[in-house]
Parts: sequence; structure tokens; C-alpha cells
Amino acid sequence: ELKVEQNPLFLSMQEGKNYTIYCNYSTTSDRLYWYRQDPGKSLESLFVLLSNGAVKQEGRLMASLDTKARLSTLHITAAVHDLSATYFCAVDKKYGGSQGNLIFGKGTKLSVKP
Amino acid sequence: DTAVSQTPKYLVTQMGNDKSIKCEQNLGHDTMYWYKQDSKKFLKIMFSYNNKELIINETVPNRFSPKSPDKAHLNLHINSLELGDSAVYFCASSQVAAYGYTFGSGTRLTVV
Repeated sequence: ELKVEQNPLFLSMQEGKNYTIYCNYSTTSDRLYWYRQDPGKSLESLFVLLSNGAVKQEGRLMASLDTKARLSTLHITAAVHDLSATYFCAVDKKYGGSQGNLIFGKGTKLSVKP
Repeated sequence: DTAVSQTPKYLVTQMGNDKSIKCEQNLGHDTMYWYKQDSKKFLKIMFSYNNKELIINETVPNRFSPKSPDKAHLNLHINSLELGDSAVYFCASSQVAAYGYTFGSGTRLTVV
């Protein structure tokens, strides 16, 4: 059974600081996603990582993927209050052929304080 | 606008009632999903349909019955609602052999 574990589940940061969210998964997968969810809102796609060593950056967020270690990281640089949200990683589970669906981690609730 | 749209956005109902949630996508995707997000924000797949065919049915009570009249629509009917059904239900769509999932805005179901 594919399991996805995120840590930490709660993260309180000061503005200007750096931190990393970790996402481990239990079986091989060729696609890993990071989503952001604001309170009461839908899921906003941040990154799709498709291969070993993939690194993507958008603003203060950078995501990477190590498929051998089954580990993805979401690094936050110089946090600002606007980054406060819940961040989910999700792994594509295949059901044969190309059909799949997302298995989510439990999410990391990030709170950035001044 | 191209999107995944769900209705209603909020649904408050009494225990024992039957209710439906509708989902439509105009992205041309061939696969649609229902996910449930519980009070702890945990997201879990419920159903997946590919071109109107049920692909995934993840240990969901029989009271939940998805229906896909065509590949652009996936509705969720819930019979005999229970308190534990209270959650946010997200519809999503994707295209087989491509990557990327698009989520709807969610339906917050409250059973009282």
C-alpha cells in the first residue's frame, strides 16, 4: 500500500527565516505533486516533479525530488506572511497503464509570524 | 472559464436525508474523481471514473453512489446521511497519460 508521510505537520516560522518540509513515500512513483490550500479554499497546484533530481522553483518556494530515497522536499526561503497556508504533497498511484490517482500526505500547516 | 465546477458550495442537511453534489469539467479531461477532506484536513480518494467507467472505489459505504452521465460530469449521491459524512468533498479531473489534476472549489457538507 502506498503511504505518503509529511513532516512536520505544523510549522510556525518567523518572517525572513528558511525552512524545509519533507515528504516521504513508500513505493516507487514517477510523479510527485505539491499543493497549497488556504483556509476554506480549494487546492492550488504548486509543483509537479516528474523525474529523479527534478528541482522547480517559484518565488520563495523550491521543490525537489529524489526518487531513489523516495523523498521530496519543499524549501521555503525568507518566509513572508503570505505563505501561511497548508501544504500537501501527493504521489500518483497507478492502477495499471496510465490510470492513476493522488495519494496525499497529511499536510503541513505553515504559519508565518512577523 | 475552463475549470472544474461543483455545486452546491455549501450543503447543510439533517441526518437521514439524501443529497447530491454535482461536478462538471470543461477541460476535456477523460478522468474524474471524488476526494473527501475530513475535519483534520486529510484528503482521501473515494471514486474515479474514466470515460464514464468506474475505475476506483475505495472502501466507501454503499450509501455513496457516484454517477457519470458523460465524461464531463461526475455526480455524487449520498443516501441516509450520517454525522460522520460531514466533510468537504472535492471533485477533480485529469487526463490519462498526461500529468496534472485540477480540483474544484469543494462542497462543504454539514450533517446535523
